[in-house]
Amino acid sequence: NAGVMQNPRHLVRRRGQEARLRCSPMKGHSHVYWYRQLPEEGLKFMVYLQKENIIDESGMPKERFSAEFPKEGPSILRIQQVVRGDSAAYFCASSPKGGLAGINEQYFGPGTRLTVT
Amino acid sequence: AQKVTQAQTEISVVEKEDVTLDCVYETRDTTYYLFWYKQPPSGELVFLIRRNSFDEQNEISGRYSWNFQKSTSSFNFTITASQVVDSAVYFCALSEASVKGANSKLTFGKGITLSVRP
Repeated sequence: NAGVMQNPRHLVRRRGQEARLRCSPMKGHSHVYWYRQLPEEGLKFMVYLQKENIIDESGMPKERFSAEFPKEGPSILRIQQVVRGDSAAYFCASSPKGGLAGINEQYFGPGTRLTVT
Repeated sequence: AQKVTQAQTEISVVEKEDVTLDCVYETRDTTYYLFWYKQPPSGELVFLIRRNSFDEQNEISGRYSWNFQKSTSSFNFTITASQVVDSAVYFCALSEASVKGANSKLTFGKGITLSVRP
């Protein structure tokens, strides 16, 4: 049973370019989350999505960042016109739908390390 | 607003020592969930445990044990007889309950870097 897949693992972009990060959830998981880990900081929540629906985007920067989880295919985190401050590790996590037992643990992918030069 | 504090930033121990990683949380909800994750040097995040706010029983899994105390809003993690492979960054996280059928974001502490020396 494959875990959460993220690609690319490393991405280098020049300032002003676009970055696209992909995440395929674990089999059977319909919920996807994106987190960002900046150097010397913990993980910060960005966005929570279900298929074709954004549930919580309270952690997304207001500009240049967007996320989607289409009916078919992986979830995409898109950063337009990248700046040096966007350099970070971006982690995707997935979980099954919440149930009577409450919310579920999130399983993380290996992350994408974005470097903006 | 929810908050997780891991006051210890770095801990260094010698192999076979016991070590406790502290976690203190803040939340206004009566229903919430606490988690611990491990991030080894390779960088991935590994889920260790989930605990809901109604279950204050301590848990033991091999060399790992967790002590949940609502009275002090703490969820501490102890590694017994530490090993070099335990060297990693350990994150405590909190999630507040959401509507039935949905999940909720994780709020992480800043992590504790544990170094176990041979």
